[in-house]
Amino acid sequence: AQSVTQPDIHITVSEGASLELRCNYSYGATPYLFWYVQSPGQGLQLLLKYFSGDTLVQGIKGFEAEFKRSQSSFNLRKPSVHWSDAAEYFCAVDHSGGYQKVTFGTGTKLQVIP
Amino acid sequence: NAGVTQTPKFQVLKTGQSMTLQCAQDMNHNSMYWYRQDPGMGLRLIYYSASEGTTDKGEVPNGYNVSRLNKREFSLRLESAAPSQTSVYFCASSAVREGLPVYEQYFGPGTRLTVT
Repeated sequence: AQSVTQPDIHITVSEGASLELRCNYSYGATPYLFWYVQSPGQGLQLLLKYFSGDTLVQGIKGFEAEFKRSQSSFNLRKPSVHWSDAAEYFCAVDHSGGYQKVTFGTGTKLQVIP
Repeated sequence: NAGVTQTPKFQVLKTGQSMTLQCAQDMNHNSMYWYRQDPGMGLRLIYYSASEGTTDKGEVPNGYNVSRLNKREFSLRLESAAPSQTSVYFCASSAVREGLPVYEQYFGPGTRLTVT
């Protein structure tokens, strides 16, 4: 079945440490890929997106993500985490060719410790 | 610009009661969506509207109805609420034009619904 997998439900990192959140998808063609962030009690905000071209994309708040076709992955990274990055992160895939039928992963909750 | 607004923010219903969740956007977006968010399940699409006057079922439409009242407003109705519909509901909007890369979705702050 087609799906979006975020294998880590919860991750804890120290402030200043690097971060990588994993996302894998299982669609046949290259879909459109997104990462969203959700702060407690808030709606989702787009961090970055990949449509085509350069496989390393830059987003807001110092985040980046790399699309790897061979691994069907779109992992989110940040070189130095800040306490304000504590939130839940969702990977999402538009597999409808741009017609906005988006499937979300189950989310990874990030805790940042001082 | 308020973006995407949702009312109410919180609601408690008894089983069998009905209610309508309201959503409005002021970004002149064509497409609007309703999702539910449950722990450990991410967001699941209930219904979406690609343009004014059209609506389509998403992944989990059973027990819900929608109305795209005009370009700005997209409401979600629960005719007979069930405890399984306890969830956080998010409305979103985006501007989509055929043949162009997909645009990101803008989300409202959510409605937390409890059905007892």
